[in-house]
Amino acid sequence: AQTVTQSQPEMSVQEAETVTLSCTYDTSESDYYLFWYKQPPSRQMILVIRQEAYKQQNATENRFSVNFQKAAKSFSLKISDSQLGDAAMYFCAYRSEIQGAQKLVFGQGTRLTINP
Amino acid sequence: EPEVTQTPSHQVTQMGQEVILRCVPISNHLYFYWYRQILGQKVEFLVSFYNNEISEKSEIFDDQFSVERPDGSNFTLKIRSTKLEDSAMYFCASTRAYEGNTIYFGEGSWLTVV
Repeated sequence: AQTVTQSQPEMSVQEAETVTLSCTYDTSESDYYLFWYKQPPSRQMILVIRQEAYKQQNATENRFSVNFQKAAKSFSLKISDSQLGDAAMYFCAYRSEIQGAQKLVFGQGTRLTINP
Repeated sequence: EPEVTQTPSHQVTQMGQEVILRCVPISNHLYFYWYRQILGQKVEFLVSFYNNEISEKSEIFDDQFSVERPDGSNFTLKIRSTKLEDSAMYFCASTRAYEGNTIYFGEGSWLTVV
């Protein structure tokens, strides 16, 4: 079974600076999808960014980008120019491409604090 | 932008009572899910549902849980006899197809069992 590990329970960053959240995963599959979800205090799960494993190019969404290292099974999230609204719990998630096994497997989460 | 909607947002129930959590997935989506998040813990998969039947369930999803899609729009999670440890946020989610399409989550239903 696939596992996702986020080794940083908490991170903090000064407003306007850059922070990187780590995520590693374990799988024997070659095709899969990786996601970062944000969970603000409202507890809604909001998609931040996704990466297809077959793509070598790292995904970017405005101030959010990933560093996807397939061989190392690493998928880190970089937040540039951090804003107060970025404060949240961030979850890394894995999704298999195998038919019928399409659920998301989540890591334990990293709580990000933005210091003004 | 289409959303997954869930009701109720918060429910308090007595231990042993039945609870039904309701969800309206995004209209053209085909795959539906329930996830659970106990306070302070990670989000855990409960069950996936496709073509009017369960496609996968976790070990958490025991005989006390059931899901159904009664009318083609709603997707419900029933807990037959709630236990204290069922207190959690329950998320409904949906996606259009399984080929890596993004799974969209509702805002969650916070269940407190007393």
